Amino acid sequence: DTAVSQTPKYLVTQMGNDKSIKCEQNLGHDTMYWYKQDSKKFLKIMFSYNNKELIINETVPNRFSPKSPDKAHLNLHINSLELGDSAVYFCASSRNRVHEQYFGPGTRLTVT
Amino acid sequence: QQQVKQSPQSLIVQKGGISIINCAYENTAFDYFPWYQQFPGKGPALLIAIRPDVSEKKEGRFTISFNKSAKQFSLHIMDSQPGDSATYFCAASSSGYALNFGKGTSLLVTP
Repeated sequence: DTAVSQTPKYLVTQMGNDKSIKCEQNLGHDTMYWYKQDSKKFLKIMFSYNNKELIINETVPNRFSPKSPDKAHLNLHINSLELGDSAVYFCASSRNRVHEQYFGPGTRLTVT
Repeated sequence: QQQVKQSPQSLIVQKGGISIINCAYENTAFDYFPWYQQFPGKGPALLIAIRPDVSEKKEGRFTISFNKSAKQFSLHIMDSQPGDSATYFCAASSSGYALNFGKGTSLLVTP
């Protein structure tokens, strides 16, 4: 049973397209996150949601829009994709105000 | 702005040796310091974590040492095994919501 799952695992698309990445957790956690890992493996927080409410938005271009339909899901929609968006995107979750974060397997986005 | 500085960038250790990775931080509001292990093509997995009220935490072969006054913490992997070869990330958090990661250490344990 996968605790945090993401789809798709790989995403190859052209510049200017719009794409979405889906994330689901079955841990019963209240807080979910999106992190971006660049080509040098640096991990940086993008967004954090708690009980479907946006808590953190870390200077991410507004082309990125997270959407949380319920506590178990946090999707990431990206408009007008750029070459610099190529990275691995990780979803994570944690119990509310508890620090232990559990990461999904990642989605490798390649923009050509 | 890098809030957590990690060194070394890469590390080669012989099987059975001790691997040591160091991290330093500036923000005294940080109150949670986890270490994550990441294998190629996988997501980071929580390895061990410590809070500033203790100076050391040990789980199996993995030990975190924490020096609050120096604002430094380190991961020690005892009896390193080839299966430990992975990228290790230290992190720190104060909000309870966002982890600030170090840049990672690529560990190779040779047979």
